[in-house]
Amino acid sequence: DTGVSQNPRHKITKRGQNVTFRCDPISEHNRLYWYRQTLGQGPEFLTYFQNEAQLEKSRLLSDRFSAERPKGSFSTLEIQRTEQGDSAMYLCASSLTGEMLGSGYTFGSGTRLTVV
Amino acid sequence: DAKTTQPPSMDCAEGRAANLPCNHSTISGNEYVYWYRQIHSQGPQYIIHGLKNNETNEMASLIITEDRKSSTLILPHATLRDTAVYYCIVRVTGTYKYIFGTGTRLKVLA
Repeated sequence: DTGVSQNPRHKITKRGQNVTFRCDPISEHNRLYWYRQTLGQGPEFLTYFQNEAQLEKSRLLSDRFSAERPKGSFSTLEIQRTEQGDSAMYLCASSLTGEMLGSGYTFGSGTRLTVV
Repeated sequence: DAKTTQPPSMDCAEGRAANLPCNHSTISGNEYVYWYRQIHSQGPQYIIHGLKNNETNEMASLIITEDRKSSTLILPHATLRDTAVYYCIVRVTGTYKYIFGTGTRLKVLA
């Protein structure tokens, strides 16, 4: 198992374009989380999935953002009509049911989005 | 609301102990304090967590004050590879939302 995998690692897009990121969690992990991290700040929680169900969303997740986890395995995060303020690192994490933050809660290396 | 406060940066000589403080005065009674670190261009990595008692593992020690309003992460013998941003993290009770704060950028000097 290679851990949590995120693709692409880097994405540069023009303002107004749509972008989609993918996260492949650790295979047996049924919980999946998305975070956003802007320069000089810590990660900020965006949303959480238990299997395919999206159970929690942050107010940061505006209507231009949508996340899916259709079969309870990989997840996608789409941003529509990107704005310069969307430039950030988008991190994915996964864990098993019952595991809170701790040794079993594993982050990926993130996708860095630059909107020009 | 849940919040953590940490100094923005610290330096530590290689081989010496690094003591990283965190204030979490709004923490709820049943919530743990977690510490992660993030090396440039990587995702955060788990270090240690605790509730009331002091904790130690192979990476670090965690000292939590009796009133649980603050804690200190101790790296007993810092190495150059410990240079990273260290986050003290608490959870918003009843949610899966963790508050990372801005972290402390630790620089270990040779």
